[in-house]
Formats: sequence, structure tokens, C-alpha cells
Amino acid sequence: DAGVIQSPRHEVTEMGQEVTLRCKPISGHNSLFWYRQTMMRGLELLIYFNNNVPIDDSGMPEDRFSAKMPNASFSTLKIQPSEPRDSAVYFCASRRLAGDNEQFFGPGTRLTVL
Amino acid sequence: QQPVQSPQAVILREGEDAVINCSSSKALYSVHWYRQKHGEAPVFLMILLKGGEQKGHEKISASFNEKKQQSSLYLTASQLSYSGTYFCGTVNNNAGNMLTFGGGTRLMVKP
Repeated sequence: DAGVIQSPRHEVTEMGQEVTLRCKPISGHNSLFWYRQTMMRGLELLIYFNNNVPIDDSGMPEDRFSAKMPNASFSTLKIQPSEPRDSAVYFCASRRLAGDNEQFFGPGTRLTVL
Repeated sequence: QQPVQSPQAVILREGEDAVINCSSSKALYSVHWYRQKHGEAPVFLMILLKGGEQKGHEKISASFNEKKQQSSLYLTASQLSYSGTYFCGTVNNNAGNMLTFGGGTRLMVKP
């Protein structure tokens, strides 16, 4: 079975540019999470969706960040405009909503903003 | 609020044991443990639900003390493959599925 799929795996962009990160959760998983990982701040939850509906976006740093989940098999995280401090690894994870069970992480997108 | 992990880092020789602790200031519903190797995504190890249960996976086991709002991960007879960063993730109520991760514990196992 395919795991969580993220694209691109690496992104290098210049400050001010728009960045879009993509995620395809595992089929049948109806809960999706976006995380950001940096050395300084560790693994932070940005936003999560249940059944395509955003439940908690309190971790989104500021209005420059937005996330959508138009259907059960696709989500995007957009940064506009990007800044050097946004440089991090962004992980998407998914799980089944029912019960308390494990999250499956995608391979991550390493974002570098110059 | 982020759970606190200790120690922040530990170096072991192959075959030695280690304990990683995770403490929360809030009441816990469950604790998840993940391991992340350098340049890779976190990988699930185990979940502990409230009730003080203890779980094990090969030579890695964990306990959950609901009253103390703590969980501990026990690595017995460590192997080189155990090296990585260990994260605990806490769930504070059974209505949500949001994990709050601790800062991580870096474990290095040397030959």
C-alpha cells in the first residue's frame, strides 16, 4: 500500500514567492495533519482536518499560511509570501479518525527560502 | 502545552539500557511514541491509553502513569538501529485526535 505522499520533496525559493506543498493521505484515512519541523521549535502541528473540514488551525503561524483539503485524497499548504524563517521540513500525516490510533507520516518537504 | 521529555540526549553502548521520560502538565488521555531517524519521517512505535497499561515491542516497552501524567519509554539491550530521536505525543482528551509532541530525545547507540 502506498503511504502518505508529499510533493515536492525539496523546494528552494526566494523570499516573497508563493510556495504550495501537496499531500495525498493514505486511502481510507479521514484525518489529516500538517506539521512543521525545525531545530529550534521541534515538531509543531500547524493545522488538522477531519473529513476534509479544518478542525484546529491555531498552529498556523500567520495569515501568510493557508491550508485546504478540497477532497478526501488531497490537501495543500500554501505560503504566500514566503520568508526565510519559513525554511523547515513540512510533514503531512494521516490516520483513521475513529479511535485513537497511529498517525502515518509522509516523507516531508524540505523548504528553503532564500 | 508541549509535553516535556527527558533527557534531551543520551549516548549508549550497544547492549545498554535507556529510559526516556515524557511529562505533561495536563491530564492525559493517551501517549504516542515515535522514532525519527535523521532525514526521515517519524515512525510510530506504540500507543498507550490511560489505565496504566504497559506495552512492548521487541525490546522496547513503555508505561503510562495517568495520575502522574507521565509516560516512560524503556529500551533494553539497545541495538545500533535504535539510534534516532524519540518523540512522545500526547492526547489530552478523548474527543480530539490532536497530538502535541514533546521536544524529542536524541539517542545514539555506539558499537
